[in-house]
Amino acid sequence: GQNIDQPTEMTATEGAIVQINCTYQTSGFNGLFWYQQHAGEAPTFLSYNVLDGLEEKGRFSSFLSRSKGYSYLLLKELQMKDSASYLCAVRVTGANNLFFGTGTRLTVIP
Amino acid sequence: EAGVTQFPSHSVIEKGQTVTLRCDPISGHDNLYWYRRVMGKEIKFLLHFVKESKQDESGMPNNRFLAERTGGTYSTLKVQPAELEDSGVYFCASTQGLGGTDTQYFGPGTRLTVL
Repeated sequence: GQNIDQPTEMTATEGAIVQINCTYQTSGFNGLFWYQQHAGEAPTFLSYNVLDGLEEKGRFSSFLSRSKGYSYLLLKELQMKDSASYLCAVRVTGANNLFFGTGTRLTVIP
Repeated sequence: EAGVTQFPSHSVIEKGQTVTLRCDPISGHDNLYWYRRVMGKEIKFLLHFVKESKQDESGMPNNRFLAERTGGTYSTLKVQPAELEDSGVYFCASTQGLGGTDTQYFGPGTRLTVL
């Protein structure tokens, strides 16, 4: 089966930087996605990595190392509204659906 | 542009009853996915439609679940008869194509509680 791991919970301070890690062991790899989900709302797309390296998009960046089966989401200049669950999802070769980790619940404190 | 919508937002039914969930994808999106999240677990894939055809239904848990997408627009997911373990949040997602960068856009989900 596919295995995607991420920490269950994290807490960080407003204005700080936080890094949310995701490791995966899957049968093939065809892209990694990060989603943000506020309670009771739809998961919303944040970033996509398929090649090694860093993708930057405003305050959010995502990194991928395919050889290590590892990704992280970096959130800078944290704001209270960034308190949410962050979902790591992998698409494997030969499939179109996503395989998700259990999500990391981030709490931003003043 | 309207996003993916799902109806109802919440449903509470008794074991043995039938429930039908509806998903309206983003207009023009040929690909529609159903996922489910049970309490404490990760979001898991159920099935994938391309237009009105089932492309992949490998995630459907058993034959109590029936998904349809007549006309290739909205989709329904029927659970009959519902069991306690069917409780969870059912998400729908859609994409326009199947290219590498095609992002799956999710709806807010239907929270199903089976008593």
